[in-house]
Order: sequence, then C-alpha cells, then structure tokens
Amino acid sequence: KAGVTQTPRYLIKTRGQQVTLSCSPISGHRSVSWYQQTPGQGLQFLFEYFSETQRNKGNFPGRFSGRQFSNSRSEMNVSTLELGDSALYLCASSLIAGGVTDTQYFGPGTRLTVL
Amino acid sequence: KNQVEQSPQSLIILEGKNCTLQCNYTVSPFSNLRWYKQDTGRGPVSLTIMTFSENTKSNGRYTATLDADTKQSSLHITASQLSDSASYICVVSGVSAGNKLTFGGGTRVLVKP
Repeated sequence: KAGVTQTPRYLIKTRGQQVTLSCSPISGHRSVSWYQQTPGQGLQFLFEYFSETQRNKGNFPGRFSGRQFSNSRSEMNVSTLELGDSALYLCASSLIAGGVTDTQYFGPGTRLTVL
Repeated sequence: KNQVEQSPQSLIILEGKNCTLQCNYTVSPFSNLRWYKQDTGRGPVSLTIMTFSENTKSNGRYTATLDADTKQSSLHITASQLSDSASYICVVSGVSAGNKLTFGGGTRVLVKP
C-alpha cells in the first residue's frame, strides 16, 4: 500500500508570494492533518480535514488555509509569505478523524524556504 | 494551556547501551499518548499509542510507559543501534475538539559506535 505522498518536496519562494502544497493520503484514509515543523517551535498543528470538512484548526493566521477534495487529497495554501513561514510542512493521514487510538501516518514533508 | 515537555533535549549514547526519554504533560482531560520517531529529513513514524488505561506498550526494542496520575511517560530504548539515531517526539491527545494533538519539542538521540 502506498504511503502518504506530498508534492513538491522542496520549494523556494520570495516574501509576498503565495504557495500551494499538496498531500495524497493513504488509500482509504479519510482524515488529513497538516503540521508545520521548525527548529524553534517544533511540530505545530495547522488543521485537520475529514470528508472535505475542516474539523480542527490550530493557532495560525488566516494566511494559512486548506481544503480537501472528494478523493481525500488535500491542499494547503499560504498567502503573502513571510520569512517566518520557512519550515517543513508535514501532512498526516489516518483512517478516521479523532479516533482515540487511530495511528497517523506522516508523509515526507515539503521543505519551504522563503527568501 | 496544554503543554508537553520532553527531556533531555538531546542525548548521546554508545551502541548497545540502553536509554530512557521522558515526557511530562499537562493536557487534560487526557485521551492518549503517542511516541513518534523522526529520522532527519523524514516525516515522523508512530512507535506506540497508549490510552488512559494502559501503562506500558512495547514495539520491538522500544517500550513506552505511562503514569496517567502523575502525567508522565517514558520511552525506553533497549540495546541501542545506530539506526536509533533520530528525534523522538511525545504527542498527547486531549478529549476535546476532536482529540487535537499537542506535540513535545522532541529529544534528539545520537547513537555512536
């Protein structure tokens, strides 16, 4: 079974631009979560989607948005990029949302660098 | 504010030796606690998941313990191997808002030959 895939793997943008990251979950998984990982802040939760609906949201500004399609694939968009948005963006999928012991499977991440 | 604190921040051990990583949390009410291993440049991989009623769970040479009364967990690595060099992240899920996950800062482990 193929794992979680994320595209692109690496991205370089300049301040003020916008970016869209893509995540394809494991086949059959309906929940997709996004995380930002930086050396200083560690892993931080961005949002979670289940059946095309946002179920949960972290404490990030409105510049960060996402959506999920009917095939469970998800996209994350960051508008008006800032230097501080440079990070590894990780996507994780799980079978169901909010399952007490549901294992999350992470993708390899997209490394975003903002110049 | 829900918090997850891990110690030590980093650790160097010799191949073949054992080590123990600590995780303290304030998340309440508590749903489950997870340990992840993250190799450099890769996404985290789940090692163990424990609910409130479980106090120990093993995955090969990795054994996690949980004391829900003191809100502490530990991850014990037995007979370390070079491939154990990674960051280990403790993640706690609360019983609210769809079990949102709170991540610890991680412990970076380096195993030397």
